[in-house]
Amino acid sequence: EVVLTQSPGTLSLSPGERATLSCRASQSVSRYIAWYQQKPGQAPRLLIYDAYTRATGIPARFSGSGSGTEFTLTISSLEAEDFAVYYCQQRSDWPPTFGQGTKVEIK
Amino acid sequence: QVQLRQWGAGLLKPSETLSLTCTVSDGSFTGYYWSWIRQPPGRGLELLAEINHSGTSIYNPSLESRLTISVDTSKNHFSLKMTSLTAADTATYYCVRGAWFDLWGQGTLVTVSS
Repeated sequence: EVVLTQSPGTLSLSPGERATLSCRASQSVSRYIAWYQQKPGQAPRLLIYDAYTRATGIPARFSGSGSGTEFTLTISSLEAEDFAVYYCQQRSDWPPTFGQGTKVEIK
Repeated sequence: QVQLRQWGAGLLKPSETLSLTCTVSDGSFTGYYWSWIRQPPGRGLELLAEINHSGTSIYNPSLESRLTISVDTSKNHFSLKMTSLTAADTATYYCVRGAWFDLWGQGTLVTVSS
């Protein structure tokens, strides 16, 4: 099973700042990585798939990069609605697995 | 706007069987994978099982012996059964669409308690 390790666990930032979230895979997953946003009491929402492709309706301030074992989700300028928990997920190997999450909180 | 709506019992006893069903509002089963994912309170996400419109299924090996996923395209439903429940199965269970999980149900909190 592919283990995804996200860092940091918590990111404390102010609105308008840039957020950089990392996801490291225990083995190469090529570009088969997705990123999700989850707010309290809600289901996760797909942001990015295939490492860098934005899902339908996702603002351009969200971008993904990386390949192999190292991946990054960048939020170029945080808005109030972006404070949430973010998960990476791989689909290179069965079963698909998720990272443990990074919480982006208001500083 | 396409939606997934799910239902099933929320409070179960140890050793009982969980049964959840999910429906697609526009009936668009063909061409998609359909999955069940769970999330224990305050914790991360775990995929349980996946099925396509023709009924080909695959399970998370860690839970495979306890799971059955099925699809009924005539009713626009897909379903999950999980046997031999314990307190460790307490979680919010989501039905989900796609190879990349682009559409989620509202979630069902399942509590296993005697």
